[in-house]
Amino acid sequence: DGGITQSPKYLFRKEGQNVTLSCEQNLNHDAMYWYRQDPGQGLRLIYYSQIVNDFQKGDIAEGYSVSREKKESFPLTVTSAQKNPTAFYLCASSIDAPRTSGAWEQFFGPGTRLTVL
Amino acid sequence: AQKVTQAQTEISVVEKEDVTLDCVYETRDTTYYLFWYKQPPSGELVFLIRRNSFDEQNEISGRYSWNFQKSTSSFNFTITASQVVDSAVYFCALSEGYNNAGNMLTFGGGTRLMVKP
Repeated sequence: DGGITQSPKYLFRKEGQNVTLSCEQNLNHDAMYWYRQDPGQGLRLIYYSQIVNDFQKGDIAEGYSVSREKKESFPLTVTSAQKNPTAFYLCASSIDAPRTSGAWEQFFGPGTRLTVL
Repeated sequence: AQKVTQAQTEISVVEKEDVTLDCVYETRDTTYYLFWYKQPPSGELVFLIRRNSFDEQNEISGRYSWNFQKSTSSFNFTITASQVVDSAVYFCALSEGYNNAGNMLTFGGGTRLMVKP
């Protein structure tokens, strides 16, 4: 089945540790995204990537890092510099808009819930 | 800059009632796209609809219908004969421009719908 997988589903981190959240897609999408969602809030964009080996900061990139070495994979590292990392993290992918006409829906993974102890 | 407002943070209805979720958007572009997503308690966002700014026809899909009115910059979502399974958070989103680099979406804050039996 085509889709997006995220792992782990739940993640606990001690203060001062870096952790990496996994995101994999087999939809053959060029564009991938990471969002953060806090309780009762909407989605805020952390990073996005339109193509392999290229990525751009979103609205709240500080304290996070990403890589895009393969089309299928877009891991997110939450560094110790992120002051308040406890949140729900969602990964998404889509057809890359500049290659087509218009804007396209993003497809989302099941999310990773990160808690800092 | 673009903005999406979902003024209703929470709505509670009894099963079989009709319910309308409001979405108001702001954009300076003449070409844009609007989306609705459903986020059930499991957390994954589920795509419901995509509509471009040149198509003001209302859309109906089963018990779901959408009313797009450019004159009031609104894209409202109605669930007819609501069911308990409709309980979720619903997000409206906007994507600007014909050549939207990165296919970026701006999300509203979401409306939590609770359908009671």
